[in-house]
Amino acid sequence: DGGITQSPKYLFRKEGQNVTLSCEQNLNHDAMYWYRQDPGQGLRLIYYSQIVNDFQKGDIAEGYSVSREKKESFPLTVTSAQKNPTAFYLCASSILPSGTNTGELFFGEGSRLTVL
Amino acid sequence: AQSVTQPDIHITVSEGASLELRCNYSYGATPYLFWYVQSPGQGLQLLLKYFSGDTLVQGIKGFEAEFKRSQSSFNLRKPSVHWSDAAEYFCAVGLYNFNKFYFGSGTKLNVKP
Repeated sequence: DGGITQSPKYLFRKEGQNVTLSCEQNLNHDAMYWYRQDPGQGLRLIYYSQIVNDFQKGDIAEGYSVSREKKESFPLTVTSAQKNPTAFYLCASSILPSGTNTGELFFGEGSRLTVL
Repeated sequence: AQSVTQPDIHITVSEGASLELRCNYSYGATPYLFWYVQSPGQGLQLLLKYFSGDTLVQGIKGFEAEFKRSQSSFNLRKPSVHWSDAAEYFCAVGLYNFNKFYFGSGTKLNVKP
């Protein structure tokens, strides 16, 4: 079945450590996204990418980095510069919209990062 | 600035009762509009979407939503709620000229037996 796989589902990190969250999709989607979810704040966009080797900052990119070396993969690194990294992280993908095709987001199951 | 507002943080309804979740957006043109549902600790699942055409759209699990341009609203409805509908619901706006999606802060639905 096609879908988006995020790993790990749970991750614990000590302060000062970088961690990388994996996101893989086999939907052949061009665009991929990373969102951060905190209680009561909805989803906030961290980074997005429309094509391989290109990505753009979202609304809360500080302290995060990404790469897009393959169409299927869009890993997110949470660096030690991120002041409050404990959150639920969601990866999503979509086709690029055209005509009446809305290109809605398809989501992975999420990764919960806890900083100890 | 673009924004999506879901004014109700929590809603509790009895099983079998009707449901309406509110969503208002702020944007200069008609964006793509979506409703997603999220169970605890899970990703988001698309319930329905609107871009153009009939302003009443049908989705999965018996949900529907109505787009009202004059009110910049896209409210989600269900005639009879089931206990399995308890979850968090998110309204979202797609701005394709910028290839971005904006989400409301969510409404948590509790269902009383």
